[in-house]
This record gives sequence, structure tokens and C-alpha cells, in this order.
Amino acid sequence: GAVVSQHPSRVICKSGTSVKIECRSLDFQATTMFWYRQFPKKSLMLMATSNEGSKATYEQGVEKDKFLINHASLTLSTLTVTSAHPEDSSFYICSARDAGTGIFDEQFFGPGTRLTVL
Amino acid sequence: GQNIDQPTEMTATEGAIVQINCTYQTSGFNGLFWYQQHAGEAPTFLSYNVLDGLEEKGRFSSFLSRSKGYSYLLLKELQMKDSASYLCAVIGVRRAGTALIFGKGTTLSVSS
Repeated sequence: GAVVSQHPSRVICKSGTSVKIECRSLDFQATTMFWYRQFPKKSLMLMATSNEGSKATYEQGVEKDKFLINHASLTLSTLTVTSAHPEDSSFYICSARDAGTGIFDEQFFGPGTRLTVL
Repeated sequence: GQNIDQPTEMTATEGAIVQINCTYQTSGFNGLFWYQQHAGEAPTFLSYNVLDGLEEKGRFSSFLSRSKGYSYLLLKELQMKDSASYLCAVIGVRRAGTALIFGKGTTLSVSS
């Protein structure tokens, strides 16, 4: 099956630093990747839609200058949390849609990245 | 607006059957997904419905009624490992890059 990886799986950083999270589709091409954030015992909240070769589309309330998204290739999207603060601590999950998929819009999820900002 | 509702918590015992309901109101409809998520892990795909009716896959079945904006996930022969959060997600209007809209999830606790 389709596999999506995320790196790192866990990261602890100091307040004010920037953290980059990578999302890779390992065995398929993904023209579209999605970034979600999940707080404890809450559902996934879509942050942005990342399209290869173009600017990301951010959901209302998500600061594009704070959460920088780059989708440079069909297999890689990165999310950079700039000047991280403790309230940014969360579980970040990416998902990718197989570009070769027809009607079935299944998205494949990465294993997630646990960010803790001290 | 977009809205997906599901119960917050449910409990059941091993070997039992449980039904998790999901109602949705979205701009357009192009499919409904059920995902299972264990704490601290990413969601894993369970089922996909785009036409009315029941889809059965082993111990799990999913039902959809588009006219009622309603779906349910049926889990049979419950096992302890089924304790997890179950997420209902919908694809609304179809356009390039359409994301899934997730409900808040139902936390299922299975006891012996």
C-alpha cells in the first residue's frame, strides 16, 4: 500500500526557534498534500493544502507567515513552524493523495510529528 | 457551512457489537471515510462510502444514506484492541486539492 513518512517523529525545541517537519510519499507521487494539527483528545484540524509547484492554501485562522509550507516535488512537502511558542505544541500530521488515483479520493496519512515547545 | 457530528465517547464490552453514528452537512458530497486512530498515532483507513448502502469488510461495516446525511460504522465481535478514536470524514465539493473534513471523533473504550 501507499506509504507516507514524516520526519522527525518527535521534536522538543526552545521557544523562539524554528522547526521543520518533512512529509514524504515513498511509493507514489502526490500532487496534493495536507497538513493537519491535532490537540490532545481533539480531532484533526486542517491547517493548509499544499500543491506541488504552487503556493499553499491556508485555512482561516492559520498564519501563513508562521507555518511555512513548501511542496517542492511530487514526493516531498515541508512544514516549518517559525518562532515556535509553547502554544504551538501539538501533534502535526500530513496526508497525501495519490496523483494516479481516479475517483477514489483516499488520503494516506503520515505517522505524525509530536512537537513540544518549551 | 460544513458540519460533521458524531458522539464524543462510547463504551462497550468484548465480543459485543457497537454502532458509531455520524451525521454531516457539507457543501456537496463526494464520499465519506471512516478512520481509526490510536492515541499518539496517525489515522488508519477503515472504509469509504460514496453510494448509499452497506459496505462490509470483516468485522467492520459502514453504512451511508446520502438523502439523510447519515453514516454509521458497525464494529462486531469487539476486541480490546478496538479501543481507539473513530473519525468520520467527508469530502465535500470536488475540486483540485479538496481536503477531508473531519468530525471530532468518537472515543471507543472496550472493556473485558
